Amino acid sequence: GAGVSQSPSNKVTEKGKDVELRCDPISGHTALYWYRQSLGQGLEFLIYFQGNSAPDKSGLPSDRFSAERTGGSVSTLTIQRTQQEDSAVYLCASSLAADRGNGYTFGSGTRLTVV
Amino acid sequence: GNSVTQMEGPVTLSEEAFLTINCTYTATGYPSLFWYVQYPGEGLQLLLKATKADDKGSNKGFEATYRKETTSFHLEKGSVQVSDSAVYFCALGPASTLTFGKGTMLLVSP
Repeated sequence: GAGVSQSPSNKVTEKGKDVELRCDPISGHTALYWYRQSLGQGLEFLIYFQGNSAPDKSGLPSDRFSAERTGGSVSTLTIQRTQQEDSAVYLCASSLAADRGNGYTFGSGTRLTVV
Repeated sequence: GNSVTQMEGPVTLSEEAFLTINCTYTATGYPSLFWYVQYPGEGLQLLLKATKADDKGSNKGFEATYRKETTSFHLEKGSVQVSDSAVYFCALGPASTLTFGKGTMLLVSP
């Protein structure tokens, strides 16, 4: 597609429920990233996928968080047993792996509110 | 490890004022430097970049010069507009992941 698409744009969930956030990157972009943006905290790296390589999960805050990328394209970020501190905007970005010097293209994000 | 430090906001200016948002970094090697902008309700957009020392990135009237000797990449604009009101993020890379500053909110009043 023309840009990075994320869905849903907003999600309100009850504490303890599981949620799935979706990211559809730009066609042909082999690198895909998830970040979390909390109020006043800037952008926190979560996970990075590059082609068929094992993902870099070093930023995931707990084992309640997981992500997968199917067929080298669409990615799903799953948060199990959500907590109130998980409330944030979750941003997905993609890039051409060979051209990371030009930075990323971001989606508009999913605003997650845990009540 | 890599890190980026930005001046805290909000920065409040009147239209046509001069803007500077400071950014300094710590990194190994020779990173590329970026400024991203996030308008209200939108995702981050790449504003400008510089890939080596003394390079100047520019876009939409904004400029930033890669200063290796002071490890800085300050964002400037000579005359801001109300439409420039947004959050600005400094970032460094490339690496497997970009490292972002915490963002600086700019509020421009008419």
